Amino acid sequence: NAGVTQTPKFQVLKTGQSMTLQCAQDMNHNSMYWYRQDPGMGLRLIYYSASEGTTDKGEVPNGYNVSRLNKREFSLRLESAAPSQTSVYFCASRTPSYNSPLHFGNGTRLTVT
Amino acid sequence: AQSVTQLGSHVSVSEGALVLLRCNYSSSVPPYLFWYVQYPNQGLQLLLKYTSAATLVKGINGFEAEFKKSETSFHLTKPSAHMSDAAEYFCAVISNSGYSTLTFGKGTMLLVSP
Repeated sequence: NAGVTQTPKFQVLKTGQSMTLQCAQDMNHNSMYWYRQDPGMGLRLIYYSASEGTTDKGEVPNGYNVSRLNKREFSLRLESAAPSQTSVYFCASRTPSYNSPLHFGNGTRLTVT
Repeated sequence: AQSVTQLGSHVSVSEGALVLLRCNYSSSVPPYLFWYVQYPNQGLQLLLKYTSAATLVKGINGFEAEFKKSETSFHLTKPSAHMSDAAEYFCAVISNSGYSTLTFGKGTMLLVSP
């Protein structure tokens, strides 16, 4: 029972490099999300996809792009990494109803030097 | 926009003592609220959710939360802390615009001493 799977678990990038964080869920959820977690800041929404074929900006979208590849997969791309993007990134999914909770992956710890 | 405020970035209790973690919401309409727990190096796990069916909500691991509209609060409690409760706890509220996104508080780290 995998739930939400994120890859990789850890990554170190140099400033200016690019990379894609992968996320897949097997719960048949319509909505998927990318959050970043920084000390003292809680979780902040980067982008989300309410349903397959749609994506929307969240609170902190600058420097990121996303692709909803299909119903299962939602990737986050950093085109030119910056030290300010050092963070822990969480993917989550849910059904889009009023009382539906988020189901989280275990996170990707990214360091940009 | 909906938001939640968690009072206290760190709370320390002794094992066996009452746990009280505070969360206040700002909303002009009845909100839908959640509490999550995060253990070190893990993702967030749902503890409980409020959906207006009952003001006292019971969750996993002996935690419960009471929705108080007059105080705009949804505080998390547990009668007797256990060492395994040491973790970070997040309160979250769902947006009332299409119910499409959740906004999180900044979190409260619970420290439990023997």
